[in-house]
Amino acid sequence: DTGVSQDPRHKITKRGQNVTFRCDPISEHNRLYWYRQTLGQGPEFLTYFQNEAQLEKSRLLSDRFSAERPKGSFSTLEIQRTEQGDSAMYLCASSSSLSGTGAEKLFFGSGTQLSVL
Amino acid sequence: AQKVTQAQTEISVVEKEDVTLDCVYETRDTTYYLFWYKQPPSGELVFLIRRNSFDEQNEISGRYSWNFQKSTSSFNFTITASQVVDSAVYFCALNDYKLSFGAGTTVTVRA
Repeated sequence: DTGVSQDPRHKITKRGQNVTFRCDPISEHNRLYWYRQTLGQGPEFLTYFQNEAQLEKSRLLSDRFSAERPKGSFSTLEIQRTEQGDSAMYLCASSSSLSGTGAEKLFFGSGTQLSVL
Repeated sequence: AQKVTQAQTEISVVEKEDVTLDCVYETRDTTYYLFWYKQPPSGELVFLIRRNSFDEQNEISGRYSWNFQKSTSSFNFTITASQVVDSAVYFCALNDYKLSFGAGTTVTVRA
């Protein structure tokens, strides 16, 4: 069990640039989640996939954000035209739906810390 | 509306003291799940416990214990005989439709 991997760990970018983050979930997990965490706050839900289908997106996810999970394995989160308010830790988590909706235990990666200058 | 409230922002204790973290939640559903996660300085959230809304039995796991009281919508967490390695941010979370986290409580255990 290699756990959930996220790349890169840190990203510094200038306002207006595009950035892309990658998440590799635990291999047998069919659900994948993206969360955003700012300093002093708990993680906030952004979106989630079951296999390759994106089933829900938060209102926090503006049009500048897009997430994909093309083959139901790894996922990417892209932010276009970054703004300073996008600075946060972006967390990926995976789970198995076999335990039933709501009951599943999420396994989190270490996150990607984004700083927009 | 805030679904999960962790009233304590920071708690600092000396090693071997007990520490209790409060969690109050809000939901209209009768079926839901409650969780506690630990976030050490490395940043990765680590699952500690899951409870469903129909099981109000308290649970103990080593130095950790949880007190679930449906009548007061609370799911409190106690660390007994705290150790320096317990220093972390602890999050309470509710899953009635999707997982919603509280703001977290930072626990600092001093040697």
